[in-house]
Amino acid sequence: LAKTTQPISMDSYEGQEVNITCSHNNIATNDYITWYQQFPSQGPRFIIQGYKTKVTNEVASLFIPADRKSSTLSLPRVSLSDTAVYYCLVGDGYNQGGKLIFGQGTELSVKP
Amino acid sequence: ETGVTQSPTHLIKTRGQQVTLRCSSQSGHNTVSWYQQALGQGPQFIFQYYREEENGRGNFPPRFSGLQFPNYSSELNVNALELDDSALYLCASSGAGKETQYFGPGTRLLVL
Repeated sequence: LAKTTQPISMDSYEGQEVNITCSHNNIATNDYITWYQQFPSQGPRFIIQGYKTKVTNEVASLFIPADRKSSTLSLPRVSLSDTAVYYCLVGDGYNQGGKLIFGQGTELSVKP
Repeated sequence: ETGVTQSPTHLIKTRGQQVTLRCSSQSGHNTVSWYQQALGQGPQFIFQYYREEENGRGNFPPRFSGLQFPNYSSELNVNALELDDSALYLCASSGAGKETQYFGPGTRLLVL
């Protein structure tokens, strides 16, 4: 299973774009990349998932280069409520549920 | 569509006791995974149930056991509680053929 490496913490200000990069050098061919957001004492919330190139939804964008050894979560115009821990995970596509390995995550702090 | 629910929200037990935590999966999902999250750490995979059968297990001792029922709800049982079992216990459900896991709010267990 591919391990992930991401910064332990990041600081930003309201209205800025935040990019969190995750390294996953040993990603397998059938692995997807998934990002979750977690607030204290709550369950992780799914943000976005992708396999290659770029994926965008109403919350974020996910950029995946051709070699897929890294990925970048982009949060446009963050607000104070985006202060949370962000986890990058990789796992096989079908029945990924049992194969997710969470790292330490990136603690994002958004300041006014 | 009903999301993932867990009960109870909080629980206090003493060492040596047994505990049962419950999870109702999201409508249409037949796979349930359980995670343990210690303070300041990412969630750690305990095991997964798919169509009432255990479908993968993490590095947890046998005193952690589970069940899945025909309606796909699930229980996590922990026997002979230890102080280190104090954590947030998370349940996540996913549907057959879908990759995304959706997490419940968690049960906070405190072992004294």
